[in-house]
Amino acid sequence: DVKVTQSSRYLVKRTGEKVFLECVQDMDHENMFWYRQDPGLGLRLIYFSYDVKMKEKGDIPEGYSVSREKKERFSLILESASTNQTSMYLCACRRRSSYNEQFFGPGTRLTVL
Amino acid sequence: GQQVMQIPQYQHVQEGEDFTTYCNSSTTLSNIQWYKQRPGGHPVFLIQLVKSGEVKKQKRLTFQFGEAKKNSSLHITATQTTDVGTYFCAGDLSGNTGKLIFGQGTTLQVKP
Repeated sequence: DVKVTQSSRYLVKRTGEKVFLECVQDMDHENMFWYRQDPGLGLRLIYFSYDVKMKEKGDIPEGYSVSREKKERFSLILESASTNQTSMYLCACRRRSSYNEQFFGPGTRLTVL
Repeated sequence: GQQVMQIPQYQHVQEGEDFTTYCNSSTTLSNIQWYKQRPGGHPVFLIQLVKSGEVKKQKRLTFQFGEAKKNSSLHITATQTTDVGTYFCAGDLSGNTGKLIFGQGTTLQVKP
């Protein structure tokens, strides 16, 4: 079974802090994704990565950056956290070949005060 | 931009009643995937539909993909309390990138 882990289940930060959310997968999947989930809005893609050191902006990249130095690890960075970034953050991975599903981590609920 | 609209947002049913959620895309999809998220959990893949007009069944769940590959539905027959959760459809435009456009989700509550 694919296992996707995220560094924290709950996180509380202050406005202006730099925040790192880590995601690690153990199945050698090429593609990795970061989403945020807000009530009534579904899952919105922030950034994704096709493979190591590759990244592309998703639908809502503003205020975020990412890093993928190793295949198994995909980090989401909030350079200067703001209250409107309070949300549930979900990481996912997927094997690169066509028509494959995504496997999600447990999520990190981030609160920015 | 491309959108996937999903309705209804919420549905409360009595145990044993049927339930349906609908997805509509503004553009033709390569395939559509369905995920279920239990309360407090993370989305888990249910099924993928690729062909125009495709119908797939998983026990009491029936999934359909429209002829134009722009809409899809999930129907649950005789709901049970274990069906509680949020159901998401997710449209894939290309089939290769893995980039999905998620609907807003339908949250199902089942009264025993």
